[in-house]
Amino acid sequence: TQLLEQSPQFLSIQEGENLTVYCNSSSVFSSLQWYRQEPGEGPVLLVTVVTGGEVKKLKRLTFQFGDARKDSSLHITAAQPGDTGLYLCAGARAAGNKLTFGGGTRVLVKP
Amino acid sequence: DVKVTQSSRYLVKRTGEKVFLECVQDMDHENMFWYRQDPGLGLRLIYFSYDVKMKEKGDIPEGYSVSREKKERFSLILESASTNQTSMYLCASSLRQTNTEAFFGQGTRLTVV
Repeated sequence: TQLLEQSPQFLSIQEGENLTVYCNSSSVFSSLQWYRQEPGEGPVLLVTVVTGGEVKKLKRLTFQFGDARKDSSLHITAAQPGDTGLYLCAGARAAGNKLTFGGGTRVLVKP
Repeated sequence: DVKVTQSSRYLVKRTGEKVFLECVQDMDHENMFWYRQDPGLGLRLIYFSYDVKMKEKGDIPEGYSVSREKKERFSLILESASTNQTSMYLCASSLRQTNTEAFFGQGTRLTVV
């Protein structure tokens, strides 16, 4: 059983459409991180959200941390083929920065 | 440019062999991690080390051990490889400070036959 549940597992959309990926847990985390992984590479950090209710924007990507610090979402506006990849959320515990990852959402944006 | 380097991109080993996966980081990070990645399961933590000679079991430590004799190097050992250990293995490092970024290596795809 994953401590962090991501949904959906797979998303296939057309270029220009919007999408949202969810990351949910019954546990409280000191922060939630979102990573993107491309084939043959390790995950790379996109953003860290720390405060409950926090919203961060990175160009067309919007990240939100739930008020109770148990869940997070990633919204992509007007998706482009370059957004294709595996998106992973990771929760950090208060002590020592031990990261627990969700199962990942594979996003495919078709031109 | 920060770097986490894993010794092999691809490995093929036989059942029962002892397998060593090596990871080196050049960022003077306290924390180092070994994850395995399987489709639909995300990254599952095998072992975590927060200092030289210190280690902590992750979520799936069975069949694995680790060694951290120097701060920059973290080794994953499969004592007797089995086919269910066929997977992608990812090493990462981070500062000990909470909420800081983890940097990953490119991964080692291990096949046990």
